[in-house]
Amino acid sequence: QKEVEQNSGPLSVPEGAIASLNCTYSDRGSQSFFWYRQYSGKSPELIMSIYSNGDKEDGRFTAQLNKASQYVSLLIRDSQPSDSATYLCAWYNFNKFYFGSGTKLNVKP
Amino acid sequence: DGGITQSPKYLFRKEGQNVTLSCEQNLNHDAMYWYRQDPGQGLRLIYYSQIVNDFQKGDIAEGYSVSREKKESFPLTVTSAQKNPTAFYLCASSISSGQGNNEQFFGPGTRLTVL
Repeated sequence: QKEVEQNSGPLSVPEGAIASLNCTYSDRGSQSFFWYRQYSGKSPELIMSIYSNGDKEDGRFTAQLNKASQYVSLLIRDSQPSDSATYLCAWYNFNKFYFGSGTKLNVKP
Repeated sequence: DGGITQSPKYLFRKEGQNVTLSCEQNLNHDAMYWYRQDPGQGLRLIYYSQIVNDFQKGDIAEGYSVSREKKESFPLTVTSAQKNPTAFYLCASSISSGQGNNEQFFGPGTRLTVL
């Protein structure tokens, strides 16, 4: 069974803080990892993709991948109330994408 | 304006009725997917297709059917055999089935309610 484990939260952080979201996966063969943001009632939106070990930064977002430990994380710097959403991690292997159940993030003004 | 469109946005179905959800993409993507999302839950894969005229069952294919006659279109039929079809249905596409740059993008979704 290919699984993705995420803490469902909610994770509450004050405005301006760093939000840290984590995800562990079970299949060592995967090469591609993704983070999606999903607002309530909307479809998921791709915010980060990462394919190699280390960090990848895009604006206020940093994705971190550690294949040896089988985890991928997302850091959101200077969190804003508009970042309040559910964040889904996903990985790809053998023609399919596997999704975690998501972590709900609340950023308090 | 490239993207994935789904229609209708809201759909109401009577018991015993088949309904078809539309999904169209103009991203020239090879692979297309259908997911179901229940309230507070993650995404569950219904069907996926890597090329035209070929598709595979996902984890919850029972009670659903699909076709892939054109690269840009991947309609989903929810049949009367699906006993609990009320959910949010998401169509997605990605460039290819190989490794590498295979980011997946989602349409806006169709919310299906059984009356």
